[in-house]
Amino acid sequence: EVQLVESGGGLVKPGGSLRLSCAVSGSSFSIDNMSWARQAPGKGLEWVSSISAGSSYIYYADSVKGRFTISRDNAKNSLYLQMNSLGVEDTAVYYCGRGSSGDFRFDPWGQGTLVTVSS
Amino acid sequence: EIVLTQSPGTLSLSPGERATLSCRASQSVRSSYLAWYQQKPGQAPRLLIYGASGRATGVPDRFSGSGSGTDFTLTISRLEPEDFAVYYCQQYGTSPFTFGPGTKVDIK
Repeated sequence: EVQLVESGGGLVKPGGSLRLSCAVSGSSFSIDNMSWARQAPGKGLEWVSSISAGSSYIYYADSVKGRFTISRDNAKNSLYLQMNSLGVEDTAVYYCGRGSSGDFRFDPWGQGTLVTVSS
Repeated sequence: EIVLTQSPGTLSLSPGERATLSCRASQSVRSSYLAWYQQKPGQAPRLLIYGASGRATGVPDRFSGSGSGTDFTLTISRLEPEDFAVYYCQQYGTSPFTFGPGTKVDIK
């Protein structure tokens, strides 16, 4: 069974930085595309960023472009999201998701990690 | 950017009834890369349908997806108590890989 476990969330002040991690087990991580999505309190889902299996293709939502950086370490079966210049609008539960070897669906999703940006 | 519109916003039905949810895209979705997810309160979403009509592993056959181009539908043939939730569509064919705003299916 494929499992994704996010970590690294917490409380950060506006303008601050945070690095999220997503540990993946039970799959051939090195051939899977991976993604991040987020959900602000009481709101819908928002796609954030995706990275292909070999890191050749990287995509960002306009709302995070230039501030967030997605990366992966296939040797450690881990996905990362470096978040800089955080604003209150970035407050959300952040989910990682595994795609297939050819696309960017989310299957499965991790349980999520809460990021709160507040002074 | 492909904008996804879901309708209705809320669907109030009784157990045993049929649910039909719509997802409309502002432009054609490449290769029918359209997914449907179910989310219950306090839980992460779960993939139900991928490629517009493929049922994900473990998903009951009362869930079915159809459509192509710009118009897609999720049908739940007979609602079970555990099906009352929020449903999101997502297109993952063209970046940004946008989600729709969701349809809430609640108990009438």
